[in-house]
Formats: sequence, structure tokens, C-alpha cells
Amino acid sequence: SQTIHQWPATLVQPVGSPLSLECTVEGTSNPNLYWYRQAAGRGLQLLFYSVGIGQISSEVPQNLSASRPQDRQFILSSKKLLLSDSGFYLCAWGKGLAAVNEQFFGPGTRLTVL
Amino acid sequence: AQSVTQPDIHITVSEGASLELRCNYSYGATPYLFWYVQSPGQGLQLLLKYFSGDTLVQGIKGFEAEFKRSQSSFNLRKPSVHWSDAAEYFCAVGRDSNYQLIWGAGTKLIIKP
Repeated sequence: SQTIHQWPATLVQPVGSPLSLECTVEGTSNPNLYWYRQAAGRGLQLLFYSVGIGQISSEVPQNLSASRPQDRQFILSSKKLLLSDSGFYLCAWGKGLAAVNEQFFGPGTRLTVL
Repeated sequence: AQSVTQPDIHITVSEGASLELRCNYSYGATPYLFWYVQSPGQGLQLLLKYFSGDTLVQGIKGFEAEFKRSQSSFNLRKPSVHWSDAAEYFCAVGRDSNYQLIWGAGTKLIIKP
């Protein structure tokens, strides 16, 4: 069966510090991978998605970046965190077109920027 | 542009009572519609989805949703809620030939004992 892992589970970082969140998927190959952010009291905001190694699409301009160095690994990074980067970050995977296929979500990372 | 509206930010329901969560969408073509649930501090889980065919869709945990094209709605229902249903519920619509979903802002369900 497929599983998706995210770490760390929680993170407290000072403003201006770098960020690296990791997501890995097991039990499937060539998944589509997604990074979402969920701010307090708000819905899901798609940040990045990837349909293959090295292929990254960005949905929202910001100081975050994403990389996919391996088929089942998706990394969210920042060189300098802002207060507004605080939130709950969710990684998800899916197969084929999102319009017709379920997305499977990881447990999330709670990021607090102070 | 496609959009999804969940007009209720919070809903409070007594345990054992019926539930209906509203979802309205704006989409030019036949939509692909989803309901996901998020327990506190957790990821999201798919409850049900509609692509075509029967407009009443059955999902997991006793939930169902009805697609009404004339009202551009896809409301989620459950005849009798349990305390474990307390969570946030998200409606989403799929975009044709696309890898993304358009998400509603979510409805937080609170269960009164």
C-alpha cells in the first residue's frame, strides 16, 4: 500500500532563517506531487506541483521554492523565512489528472515563524 | 474563472442530528467534484467524489452528497452525526485537463454533546 511521509511534524523558526520541508511517498511510482499551505482559518492554497523529476510548477509567487530530486521526494525550501510563511504545510500525491483522481495527503508540518 | 464557495465557516450540530454542508461551484463545463475531511492537525482524507452518472453519491463514514446542476451545488449530508465527525470539511472541483483542484475555504463542524 502507498504511504506518504512528511517531516518535521512541527517547526519553529526565526524570521530570516532558511527552511527545508521534506515529503516522501512509498508504494507508487511517478506520482504527481503537491505542496499546499493552509493558513489559520483559511482553505488550502496550492503552492507547487510536480508531474515528474525536476518538473516544478509554481502557483503563487513567493519566497518559497520546491524541488523534486527523486521520483518520490518533494522538498519545499526557503532561503529567508517571513512571518507570513507561518502555517500548516501539506504534501499530497496523486495519479494522473487531479480533476478525476483522488489526492492523498500527508500528516502535515506546522510551521511557526517568530 | 472556476471557483468553489462554502458559505458556512462554522456549523454546530447536536450529536445524533442530521447534517448538511453547502458547496457551490462556478464552472463552465461538467465538474468533477470532491469532498475531503480534515481532522484537527491532520492531513485530508477523501470522503466522496462525483464525476458523472447518478447525482447522489455515497461516500465513506456514512456521508453522501447530491450534485444539482441547476443550482451549481454539491451539498454534503449525513443523517445522524457522531462526535467523531467533528472536523473541517473541504469541497473541491477539478479542472479539465489539469493537475490541480480548486478548493473551497472549508466548513468547520462542531458537535454538541
